[in-house]
Amino acid sequence: AQSVTQLGSHVSVSEGALVLLRCNYSSSVPPYLFWYVQYPNQGLQLLLKYTTGATLVKGINGFEAEFKKSETSFHLTKPSAHMSDAAEYFCAVSVNDMRFGAGTRLTVKP
Amino acid sequence: NAGVTQTPKFQVLKTGQSMTLQCAQDMNHEYMSWYRQDPGMGLRLIHYSVGAGITDQGEVPNGYNVSRSTTEDFPLRLLSAAPSQTSVYFCASSPSTSGGSDTQYFGPGTRLTVL
Repeated sequence: AQSVTQLGSHVSVSEGALVLLRCNYSSSVPPYLFWYVQYPNQGLQLLLKYTTGATLVKGINGFEAEFKKSETSFHLTKPSAHMSDAAEYFCAVSVNDMRFGAGTRLTVKP
Repeated sequence: NAGVTQTPKFQVLKTGQSMTLQCAQDMNHEYMSWYRQDPGMGLRLIHYSVGAGITDQGEVPNGYNVSRSTTEDFPLRLLSAAPSQTSVYFCASSPSTSGGSDTQYFGPGTRLTVL
């Protein structure tokens, strides 16, 4: 079955700094890849997804991710962090069903 | 549209009790799923359904039952609750019948504590 590894359970950045959240996946067939965000005491909300086509995917709130097949990666970036970006972020890989990584908690310092 | 709704929001059970977590969606989605979320483990798939009358097991199905009699509803049953089932439970739905290629829409979650 497919699987996801998120590197770093906790990432802390300063407001205005680059956000980089790392995700590597394992799949025997070309997968679909997703990033979800979870704010405290809420469900998950889709940030962006890669299915086919362009490997650089843009999502909501200024986030983007690049699918790199050779590296089996799908890292999430945002050029300039905002206080409102503080949340937990989940990478997911999907073939027939969706499997999630353990999550990365993003803290943004003023 | 209300989207995906879950009831109750909070529940406390004693070991051995049974209960049903309710999930409903009004988006006419064929695919529905249940996840549990535990600290440091992300979300793990319990059961899923690709349509009314069809269900299948996910990663961690033991101790849970599901059924899908209508497109809208996908209840999760705990037959004999155990402390290891203390978790936050999320229901999700997707327009994709495989659940794999399309966005899943999540409910607000049910926080379950088993004493």
